[in-house]
Amino acid sequence: DAKTTQPNSMESNEEEPVHLPCNHSTISGTDYIHWYRQLPSQGPEYVIHGLTSNVNNRMASLAIAEDRKSSTLILHRATLRDAAVYYCILLIQGAQKLVFGQGTRLTINP
Amino acid sequence: GAVVSQHPSWVICKSGTSVKIECRSLDFQATTMFWYRQFPKQSLMLMATSNEGSKATYEQGVEKDKFLINHASLTLSTLTVTSAHPEDSSFYICSAWRVTEAFFGQGTRLTVV
Repeated sequence: DAKTTQPNSMESNEEEPVHLPCNHSTISGTDYIHWYRQLPSQGPEYVIHGLTSNVNNRMASLAIAEDRKSSTLILHRATLRDAAVYYCILLIQGAQKLVFGQGTRLTINP
Repeated sequence: GAVVSQHPSWVICKSGTSVKIECRSLDFQATTMFWYRQFPKQSLMLMATSNEGSKATYEQGVEKDKFLINHASLTLSTLTVTSAHPEDSSFYICSAWRVTEAFFGQGTRLTVV
């Protein structure tokens, strides 16, 4: 499985945008980029996913580099509730086995 | 609301006893479910893939005789930790896919004393 690299931790302030980077230089053409997050003492939850084009949903935006070797999850206006560990995972289309790396622990300051 | 539900949320058991954890998909059918384990301050580790009507597929290093998985219906998978020991104390999480996203249960915190 292609690997992803994320910073161990990031910090931001409430109501400011947050850009969470993910490097995946060995991504293959059939790999989708998935983002999940895990709030303390809870199971992970889906955030967003994409293949080539940038994606937006009610929770976040996903910006994918043209060469697809990196991507950025964007939280447009962080709230305290967004404090979580964010995982960037590559997954072949149709596959379901999510393999979690260490993720990025996001801290939001009031 | 939750679409994948786990029960119980937490359990304390004595060393040597067995514990069963249930994972249900609430409004959809799941022929495949996944079981993860998470130790404090660590990431989720995939333990096994639960397949409805057939044997589970275990990841390397996971003892299938210790972690019994049963997927008897399209909405229920169970994980039984047999002869539990303190080192089995962990946060166990299940997941199931609906269309293009995975839904996770709220997790079960197992403490073996």
